[in-house]
Amino acid sequence: AQRVTQPEKLLSVFKGAPVELKCNYSYSGSPELFWYVQYSRQRLQLLLRHISRESIKGFTADLNKGETSFHLKKPFAQEEDSAMYYCASNYGGATNKLIFGTGTLLAVQP
Amino acid sequence: DTGVSQDPRHKITKRGQNVTFRCDPISEHNRLYWYRQTLGQGPEFLTYFQNEAQLEKSRLLSDRFSAERPKGSFSTLEIQRTEQGDSAMYLCASSLGGGRTGELFFGEGSRLTVL
Repeated sequence: AQRVTQPEKLLSVFKGAPVELKCNYSYSGSPELFWYVQYSRQRLQLLLRHISRESIKGFTADLNKGETSFHLKKPFAQEEDSAMYYCASNYGGATNKLIFGTGTLLAVQP
Repeated sequence: DTGVSQDPRHKITKRGQNVTFRCDPISEHNRLYWYRQTLGQGPEFLTYFQNEAQLEKSRLLSDRFSAERPKGSFSTLEIQRTEQGDSAMYLCASSLGGGRTGELFFGEGSRLTVL
């Protein structure tokens, strides 16, 4: 079965420290992976997609097929990065059926 | 606000009652999804529409759950004979076929509490 695993429920860092939110996936085909973010009192929204190889708000994520990982990284955390982060895999191809991990709450302390 | 809207935002009901949630997607989006999220979990896929056709239902969607999308616009999710285990946040999302893969636009959710 397809599965996305986020091992950390909570990650607390100080402002300016590096951040790495872990995500591992199991998928038999070619994975499409995403990071979604939910800020306090806001709706869930797409942060970035692995196929775009983009940097959004200073965050990047590299797909490592050997380790089946898609960790989210940022070199210097900001307080406004505090939010719930979900890793997701698209197992439905063009239909966009996403499997989400359980999420990691990132708390950036001043 | 032209995003996905859901109604009601909160619903408290007694076990055994029926409840219905409504979702209005972004107007030009032809795809609509329902997800369920329980405490400490990520969203779980329930069902998916392309226009008015319901193309897939998860095994999570028991016979007590029914979803419709008449005319390919808004959608309703009805839960009959609610059980305490149905307590969750029900999320609706929409996307544009041919748009960016994996990009779903979520509503704020409808929180159901079954007493």
